[in-house]
Amino acid sequence: GAVVSQHPSWVICKSGTSVKIECRSLDFQATTMFWYRQFPKQSLMLMATSNEGSKATYEQGVEKDKFLINHASLTLSTLTVTSAHPEDSSFYICSARDPGGLADTQYFGPGTRLTVL
Amino acid sequence: GQNIDQPTEMTATEGAIVQINCTYQTSGFNGLFWYQQHAGEAPTFLSYNVLDGLEEKGRFSSFLSRSKGYSYLLLKELQMKDSASYLCAVRDHNQAGTALIFGKGTTLSVSS
Repeated sequence: GAVVSQHPSWVICKSGTSVKIECRSLDFQATTMFWYRQFPKQSLMLMATSNEGSKATYEQGVEKDKFLINHASLTLSTLTVTSAHPEDSSFYICSARDPGGLADTQYFGPGTRLTVL
Repeated sequence: GQNIDQPTEMTATEGAIVQINCTYQTSGFNGLFWYQQHAGEAPTFLSYNVLDGLEEKGRFSSFLSRSKGYSYLLLKELQMKDSASYLCAVRDHNQAGTALIFGKGTTLSVSS
C-alpha cells in the first residue's frame, strides 16, 4: 500500500511555544491530506482537510489560528500548533488520500505524540 | 450530521471467530472503511465496502447493507496479534475533501 510518513514521531515542548508537524506522501501525490487528533482511548477526531494550493477546511470547534495548516506541495502538508498549552497534548495523525488507489483510500502516517509541559 | 456506533469492547479466544458490528447515519454515504489500530500506532487499512454484500480478504471479511446503515467486520481464526482497536469509518461526499468520519472504535482482546 501507499506510504505516508510523519515527523517528528514525538515531541515535548514548553507551554507557549509552537510545534510544526510534517506529513509526507512518499510514493504518491496527494492533493488532499487530513489531520486528526486522538486523545487516549478515544477515536480519531478530524481537525481539518488540507488541500494542495488552497486554504484548509477546518472542522467546527477547531481554531484555525491555533492550528495552522500549509499544504505547499502534492507530497507535503504541515500542521503547526501555535502557542501550545498542556490541553493540546495529544496524538496527531495525518492521512493522505491516494487518488490512484482503491476507492481513494486514505493512508495514515505513524502519528506524532505531542506533550506540552 | 453523522453518527457511527460500534461496541466499545469485545473479547474472544484464539482460533475463534468474532464479528464487530457498526451502524451509521450519514447524509452522503460514499463508502465504509475498516481500520485496525494497535495501541500507540496509526490506523492501518483493512477493508472497503461501497456496494451491498460481503468482501473477503483472507481471515478478514467485511459486510455492508446500505439500506440498513449497517456493516460488520468478521475476523476468523483469531490470533493474539489481532488484539487491537477496530475502527469503522464512513466517507461522506458532503464532507470537505470527502474525509472519513470515524466511530469510537471497538477494542478487541484475544486471549489464549
